[in-house]
Amino acid sequence: DGGITQSPKYLFRKEGQNVTLSCEQNLNHDAMYWYRQDPGQGLRLIYYSQIVNDFQKGDIAEGYSVSREKKESFPLTVTSAQKNPTAFYLCASSPRARFTGNTIYFGEGSWLTVV
Amino acid sequence: DAKTTQPPSMDCAEGRAANLPCNHSTISGNEYVYWYRQIHSQGPQYIIHGLKNNETNEMASLIITEDRKSSTLILPHATLRDTAVYYCIVRAVREGGSEKLVFGKGMKLTVNP
Repeated sequence: DGGITQSPKYLFRKEGQNVTLSCEQNLNHDAMYWYRQDPGQGLRLIYYSQIVNDFQKGDIAEGYSVSREKKESFPLTVTSAQKNPTAFYLCASSPRARFTGNTIYFGEGSWLTVV
Repeated sequence: DAKTTQPPSMDCAEGRAANLPCNHSTISGNEYVYWYRQIHSQGPQYIIHGLKNNETNEMASLIITEDRKSSTLILPHATLRDTAVYYCIVRAVREGGSEKLVFGKGMKLTVNP
């Protein structure tokens, strides 16, 4: 089935460790996004990428890093510099980044807990 | 980015139509209105979007006022599975033509039996 796959679903991290969240899509979408959601809150954009080997910071990029070496993959690394990383992380993709009106689709999310 | 305003919560009886309001008074002429919903601990699900005209699909209808300053999402026959947080979003276009969705806190719809 086509879609967006995030892994792992649940992840525990010790303070000071970097962790990487995986996001893979087989929808042939150009653009991919990472959002963070805290309990009871809306989604906030961390990073986004329009094409391979290109990405831009979103509203809360500090403490995070990404790469886009393949069209179908957009992994997010939560570094030790992120002061409060415990949250629900959502990956998304859309078919055309430069055309207003196209739709963004989301994965099922990954829960990260710092212990 | 244009901001949207939604009531924090709403109840609806099962089988009845659910009318979810959204205000977006600062929307620009080329910005679309999108609706998503999120069931707890899942990724948001796309429902519908529109620019000026009313839209309908298998999930819902979207009614946009003529001045585009507000819209209403209509679930014609609400079921218990429609209980979720509903987000009304105006699509922002950033410099360079890239785009993002700006999410607020949304509105919790509870469908009661």
